This record gives sequence, structure tokens and C-alpha cells, in this order.
Amino acid sequence: AQSVTQPDIHITVSEGASLELRCNYSYGATPYLFWYVQSPGQGLQLLLKYFSGDTLVQGIKGFEAEFKRSQSSFNLRKPSVHWSDAAEYFCAVAVYNNNDMRFGAGTRLTVKP
Amino acid sequence: DAGVTQSPTHLIKTRGQQVTLRCSPKSGHDTVSWYQQALGQGPQFIFQYYEEEERQRGNFPDRFSGHQFPNYSSELNVNALLLGDSALYLCASSLGQRNQPQHFGDGTRLSIL
Repeated sequence: AQSVTQPDIHITVSEGASLELRCNYSYGATPYLFWYVQSPGQGLQLLLKYFSGDTLVQGIKGFEAEFKRSQSSFNLRKPSVHWSDAAEYFCAVAVYNNNDMRFGAGTRLTVKP
Repeated sequence: DAGVTQSPTHLIKTRGQQVTLRCSPKSGHDTVSWYQQALGQGPQFIFQYYEEEERQRGNFPDRFSGHQFPNYSSELNVNALLLGDSALYLCASSLGQRNQPQHFGDGTRLSIL
């Protein structure tokens, strides 16, 4: 069964600094990979997705992620963090033709002024 | 264009009671998935409804049941509530094909006393 690991529970970065959130997955077939963001008291918003093709995917709000099959990773990056990026970030994986999308436990991002 | 709407936003119940949560999908979407998000964790897949049928189910007991109506809206029912059922319940909608990106509502916060 597929699973997702987000090694960092909490990350703090200064506003304007770069950001990388880690995500590792295990799966038994072709993975579909997603990053979602959740602000307090709200639902999840899709930042980006990877289905196939170019391994570097661009998302909303200036985020990007790179799929590395050899490392089973799908890390999320942003070159310059804004205070409004403070939130909880979830990586998720789904297997082709399987609707049971598995989420990681999340990484909470704090942005220092 | 209305997104995914869930009702109620908050609910307090006691052990042994039954609860019904409601979800209206994003306009144009025909598939509804339900997730349980315990405090400090990522969402866990409960089940998905498509064409008024349960298409797939996660690892949840039969106390969790659902329904999808002809207008694609959906209900989640939980019987014999346990303290451990306290969580944020998220509804997500998508188009019919599997593995399509899901759009989430803001959730229903269920507290069991």
C-alpha cells in the first residue's frame, strides 16, 4: 500500500528566505503526487500535482516541486517565502486508478518577520 | 462559482449518538470523497461516491456510511459515536475520472463528549 512520510513536523524560515519541504513516498505502481496547503480552520487547497512528464512541476503561489523517482521524493520549494505562506503543508500520493489518496502527517511552516 | 460547501461547520455530540454531515460539491463535479482529519494528522480517506454508489472505501468501520444524491451532493453518517471520532471531517469533490485533483471544503469540526 502506498504511504507518505514528511520528515519535518515544523519548519521556521525568515520572510524572503528560500523554502524546501520534504516528502518521501512508497508505492506499488505509478504514483500520482500532490501538495496541499491548509490554513487554520480551513480545508485543503491544491498547490500542485504530478501525474507524468516533466519532473519539475509549477504550482500556484510561486511553489514548485520536483519528482525524483530514484529517491522516492517529491519535495516542495519556493525561492522567497512570504508571511502569508505560514500554514500546514501536506504531501499526498495516489496510485493509478485508486482513489484512496494517502496524506503525510503534514509540515507546519512558521514565517519569521 | 461556488466551491465545496459543508454543513454544519461545528457539531457537538455525545458517545453513542448518530451524526449526519452534508456536502455540496463544486459546480461541475460529480464525485465526492470524505476524509477524517484528527488533530495534528493528515486526512485519512473514508470513502468516495460516484454515480450514487460507493466506489471505494478506506479502512473505516461500517459505522461510517454515506450517500450521494442525484444532484451529486453527499452525506456522511456515523453511528454509535466514539470519543475517537472527534475530528475535522473534510469533503472533497472532483470529476468522474479517477485520480483527478480534489477540491476540499472547509470541513465540519465534530466533537464527541
